[in-house]
Amino acid sequence: DAGVIQSPRHEVTEMGQEVTLRCKPISGHNSLFWYRQTMMRGLELLIYFNNNVPIDDSGMPEDRFSAKMPNASFSTLKIQPSEPRDSAVYFCASSFGGQLNQPQHFGDGTRLSIL
Amino acid sequence: GESVGLHLPTLSVQEGDNSIINCAYSNSASDYFIWYKQESGKGPQFIIDIRSNMDKRQGQRVTVLLNKTVKHLSLQIAATQPGDSAVYFCAENAGGTSYGKLTFGQGTILTVHP
Repeated sequence: DAGVIQSPRHEVTEMGQEVTLRCKPISGHNSLFWYRQTMMRGLELLIYFNNNVPIDDSGMPEDRFSAKMPNASFSTLKIQPSEPRDSAVYFCASSFGGQLNQPQHFGDGTRLSIL
Repeated sequence: GESVGLHLPTLSVQEGDNSIINCAYSNSASDYFIWYKQESGKGPQFIIDIRSNMDKRQGQRVTVLLNKTVKHLSLQIAATQPGDSAVYFCAENAGGTSYGKLTFGQGTILTVHP
């Protein structure tokens, strides 16, 4: 079975440029999560969606970050304009959000470097 | 705010030994706990989970213990193998309005020596 698919796996760009990260969740999962991982701050939840609707975006650092989920099989995380401090590994995860908590399954991430 | 933390940042064991990774949590409202394994260059991989109505759950070579009285979670790995070398994270969910939202600990680096 296909897991969570993220693209690109690596992205290197200059500060000020727009960056778009993409995620395809596991088919049948209705909750989707975006995380950022750095050595200093560990794994941080940025935003999550349930049934394509953003539920909690309190982890989004600032207005330069935005996320969308136009349908059940696709989500994007956009940074505009990008800054060097945005350099991190960005993970997408999905789960089946029923009545009980279920494990989140992660993609292999996008390693983002802003020069 | 409340967070999940780990006692030991690193753990080194010999192949074949049993490993125990510990995690302290502070949110008494948390009702769901989960362990992940992360290898270099990969995303966190689900190992095992446990709900607050249980105190023990076993998987293949792994056991999770939950002590709600002292807010402590542990992951036991039996007959540790070199392939178990990775960073291990515990995570909790506080339920209620936080349904579906996980808070992760800092992680423990497990190194298994052949």
